[in-house]
Amino acid sequence: DIQMTQSPSSLSASVGDRVTITCRASQSISSYLNWYQQKPGEAPKFLIHGASSLQTGVPSRFSGSGSGTDFTLTINGLQPEDFAIYYCQQSYSTPLTFGGGTKVEIK
Amino acid sequence: QITLKESGPTLVKPTQTLTLTCTFSGFSLSTSGVSVDWIRQPPGKALEWLALIYWDDDKRYSPSLKSSLTITKDTSKNQVVLTMTNMDPVDTATYYCAHREYHRGDHRYNWFDPWGQGTLVTVSS
Repeated sequence: DIQMTQSPSSLSASVGDRVTITCRASQSISSYLNWYQQKPGEAPKFLIHGASSLQTGVPSRFSGSGSGTDFTLTINGLQPEDFAIYYCQQSYSTPLTFGGGTKVEIK
Repeated sequence: QITLKESGPTLVKPTQTLTLTCTFSGFSLSTSGVSVDWIRQPPGKALEWLALIYWDDDKRYSPSLKSSLTITKDTSKNQVVLTMTNMDPVDTATYYCAHREYHRGDHRYNWFDPWGQGTLVTVSS
């Protein structure tokens, strides 16, 4: 199985801040990496595919980068609606696996 | 517009079998490259992928739960059913089904979108 490790597990930030979340795969997954956002009581929402391609409708303040084993999700100019938990997920092989999540909290 | 909705019991007893149904619309599970997956999330914990069924009836399971899971589809009813045997309190979670399909002709280029609203299943005597 491919293990996905996210860091940090939580962070505190203010509106307007730049936030970076890291996701590391236990083996190379090329660019087969997706990101999701989950708010309390809601199902996850798909944000980014292929490590760096924004899903239609996702604000441009979100960006993704990386390939191989190391990936990042960046939010430039954090907005109140961005406070949530973010998960990475590899689609390289089954079993499909998720990172442990990063909770973005209000400072 | 693709939608999915999970249904099933909210409470099961330990050792019982859980049967969950995912009813979907807006796509066909007979279309090449499409799958429906089940994912769960214990309260306050991370997401865990459980199983998938492809358009061609190929099935994959989480290795750690393979012995207790069965996934089936009824294409005519637009439903996917997941059964999990020998339920335990640690299986208490919100269970989601999600749509997934290949893109760009690449079987690895896929993602979960959209998801159902989820259904909370509590395992307790």
